Amino acid sequence: GEKVEQHESTLSVREGDSAVINCTYTDTASSYFPWYKQEAGKGLHFVIDIRSNVDRKQSQRLIVLLDKKAKRFSLHITATQPEDSAIYFCAAHSGGSNYKLTFGKGTLLTVTP
Amino acid sequence: EAAVTQSPRSKVAVTGGKVTLSCHQTNNHDYMYWYRQDTGHGLRLIHYSYVADSTEKGDIPDGYKASRPSQENFSLILELASLSQTAVYFCASSDDRGDTQYFGPGTRLLVL
Repeated sequence: GEKVEQHESTLSVREGDSAVINCTYTDTASSYFPWYKQEAGKGLHFVIDIRSNVDRKQSQRLIVLLDKKAKRFSLHITATQPEDSAIYFCAAHSGGSNYKLTFGKGTLLTVTP
Repeated sequence: EAAVTQSPRSKVAVTGGKVTLSCHQTNNHDYMYWYRQDTGHGLRLIHYSYVADSTEKGDIPDGYKASRPSQENFSLILELASLSQTAVYFCASSDDRGDTQYFGPGTRLLVL
């Protein structure tokens, strides 16, 4: 089955800098890649996604890139703010009759003022 | 935005006891899911459902049952709670299998 590896378990950046979180997946049939943010003690909150028919998507300060050849996708957070500090999870969905998302293990992002 | 609620928000249970975790969504979504979160494992799917009165096994169903009595409600049942089931449990819903999943706030379960 699908496996998603999230390469950075922790990431620390200075406020105003950019943060990049990288994920790779194994199933070439995967076609949907959402990202979630989890603040301390809270549930997962959807932040942005990308589908396999595009290679870039932006929503305000969030940019997602998808490289289907390398089976890699990444989340870029520009002009980071302290409130961006959280755990970020990437996930992949294989499409078709598949029912589930496969999650990475999460990246703890700390933005220091 | 989608609204998924869970109850209780935290629970302490004794080993061998029965535990029921409840989830309610008001989004008219067909799909509902139960995950557990453990440090170092991310989220793992326990059970899911795509229609009322039917549930399916996920990746780690052993020791858990699920019930979907209506489109809005999805329960996770631990018939004989064990220490290894101490975790945070999340419920989620989605409109379709390939769509965005919306998560509840989680239930922190401690089995002693």
